[in-house]
Amino acid sequence: NAGVTQTPKFQVLKTGQSMTLQCAQDMNHNSMYWYRQDPGMGLRLIYYSASEGTTDKGEVPNGYNVSRLNKREFSLRLESAAPSQTSVYFCASSPRTGVEQYFGPGTRLTVT
Amino acid sequence: EDQVTQSPEALRLQEGESSSLNCSYTVSGLRGLFWYRQDPGKGPEFLFTLYSAGEEKEKERLKATLTKKESFLHITAPKPEDSATYLCAPRSGAGSYQLTFGKGTKLSVIP
Repeated sequence: NAGVTQTPKFQVLKTGQSMTLQCAQDMNHNSMYWYRQDPGMGLRLIYYSASEGTTDKGEVPNGYNVSRLNKREFSLRLESAAPSQTSVYFCASSPRTGVEQYFGPGTRLTVT
Repeated sequence: EDQVTQSPEALRLQEGESSSLNCSYTVSGLRGLFWYRQDPGKGPEFLFTLYSAGEEKEKERLKATLTKKESFLHITAPKPEDSATYLCAPRSGAGSYQLTFGKGTKLSVIP
């Protein structure tokens, strides 16, 4: 089992460009999450999907959109990237909400 | 507002020197506290879940404990491979599925 996979691993964007971060899990989990991690701060939840067909905002949703494509895949889209979105992005999944989450390897995004 | 404070921010230990990491939290109706390990450049790796005061969980050289205000991660006779950042994340019971992550304790174990 690969667990949680994320693509790409690294990305550099210019201000105003758009991109989509991809996440997939092969653990048959119902819930999926997107976090960002910045130096000196804890992981912050951007959006989550409690189950296929549902999505909800987390702590820092502004500037992002998500799509739960199917049970396995959960993508994060930046429509118009800003330097403040420079961060490391992690996708996670869990069997259901409220239990342990399993994280992917992360995407390091730089916006210039 | 849920708050989590981890201390110390960084800890250097000699191999074999036992110590504890602290996670102090203020959440409404704790519904679980999670511990993770994060290696540089990688995603967090799940270690333990604790649900009620007095509960303890162990894995190799690590033992996690929980009180009503704090959780401790005790490291017994650490090895260099235990070097990592350790994160704690309580979950509030206030109608949310969200975890509040602390900033972590960076542990370095020197041979």
